[in-house]
Amino acid sequence: GAGVSQTPSNKVTEKGKYVELRCDPISGHTALYWYRQSLGQGPEFLIYFQGTGAADDSGLPNDRFFAVRPEGSVSTLKIQRTERGDSAVYLCASSLIGGPGNTIYFGEGSWLTVV
Amino acid sequence: LAKTTQPISMDSYEGQEVNITCSHNNIATNDYITWYQQFPSQGPRFIIQGYKTKVTNEVASLFIPADRKSSTLSLPRVSLSDTAVYYCLTTRGDKIIFGKGTRLHILP
Repeated sequence: GAGVSQTPSNKVTEKGKYVELRCDPISGHTALYWYRQSLGQGPEFLIYFQGTGAADDSGLPNDRFFAVRPEGSVSTLKIQRTERGDSAVYLCASSLIGGPGNTIYFGEGSWLTVV
Repeated sequence: LAKTTQPISMDSYEGQEVNITCSHNNIATNDYITWYQQFPSQGPRFIIQGYKTKVTNEVASLFIPADRKSSTLSLPRVSLSDTAVYYCLTTRGDKIIFGKGTRLHILP
């Protein structure tokens, strides 16, 4: 596609529920990233995929958070037993890995509100 | 990746040139310097990237001294629509780490 697409754009869920957020990267981009951004803060790194595998998941806050990218394209971020503190904008980004100086392109984000 | 330090906020007026300086004292040989812009309710948008000396595109210029320990983003003749948060990052082809950025407020 023309850009990184994220769905849903907005999600309100009850505390304790399960949530899935989807990301469609730019066609042909091998790397995919998930970030989380709270109000007034910069984006916080969660996980980075190179192809189908998670190259770095050091930013996932705990085991309630999980992400997959089974075919090396679309990715899903999964949050179990949501808590009010999970409320944030979840940003997905993609890039064409080619060494240093790689440019990362972001989607518009999925706004998650846990009530 | 090198830690970056930039002003928390800046104000300027329409039509002025704005320069935002970022320090990255511990930048590594393979790191590039990249700037992103973020408007409220939108994802960050790539502005410009450089390795050394000067880079210019249709939006901005990036000045990097020889020691690469700092960089300056220059926005020529800003308008109200340039009000945003600007992030300075060092990047190495994998994940990027954001700081708090500089909140630029353009006044009429």
